[in-house]
Amino acid sequence: QSVLTQPPSVSGAPGQRVTISCTGSRSNIGAHYGVHWYQQVPGTPPRLLIYDNTNRPSGVPDRFSASKSDTSASLAITGLQADDEADYYCQSYDNSLSATVFGPGTKVTVL
Amino acid sequence: QVQLQESGPGLVKSSETLSLTCTVSGASVNGDSWSWIRQPPGGGLEWIGYIYSRGSTNYSPSLKTRVTMRIDTSKNEFSLELRSVRATDTAVYYCVKGRGTTLGTGWFDPWGLGTLVIVSS
Repeated sequence: QSVLTQPPSVSGAPGQRVTISCTGSRSNIGAHYGVHWYQQVPGTPPRLLIYDNTNRPSGVPDRFSASKSDTSASLAITGLQADDEADYYCQSYDNSLSATVFGPGTKVTVL
Repeated sequence: QVQLQESGPGLVKSSETLSLTCTVSGASVNGDSWSWIRQPPGGGLEWIGYIYSRGSTNYSPSLKTRVTMRIDTSKNEFSLELRSVRATDTAVYYCVKGRGTTLGTGWFDPWGLGTLVIVSS
């Protein structure tokens, strides 16, 4: 059982905006460790989407954005497209475990 | 551009040792941290541990009694050893490059393609 929680699934129509939450605690997100997000299309390795809470690597469209507040973070996808269908994972560090932790993942479905 | 490639047996017998190697190209393993992450079929991502080029390591609390990571700067590669494997260790194993200013708390990029290891009885 992960110390970070995410909704199992979210869905939206093409062009819509969806958000994915990542809820932690005072020993991880709330301890000011960075939150990072990955996109994984089935059968491929995860791809870095957001690092250090809000930063997009080069090549990631600005339709993807993220924020962080207190013990939670969220990823937003605007202008939803068919190829956004994937699993999305948040990641942070937990100082009570002294370990990197991942959320369980959220499946995004484009209706 | 940094590329990572996992290699090793795809089938390991229960109670034996899983050994994987990650070959790094496009960058030196010196001065950076390198991690292993696994993903069981249909499951989520699990961090296994990291090794820093100077040899320091940090392993997942749930796996630390069975895991050893090593780094070979002369070959520009690092490795994973997981002992006493069981069926629940069946997973795709990824090697990844650690990023960020504080060791162990950053993000991972890039990722290797991953290698599926099946533990058989």
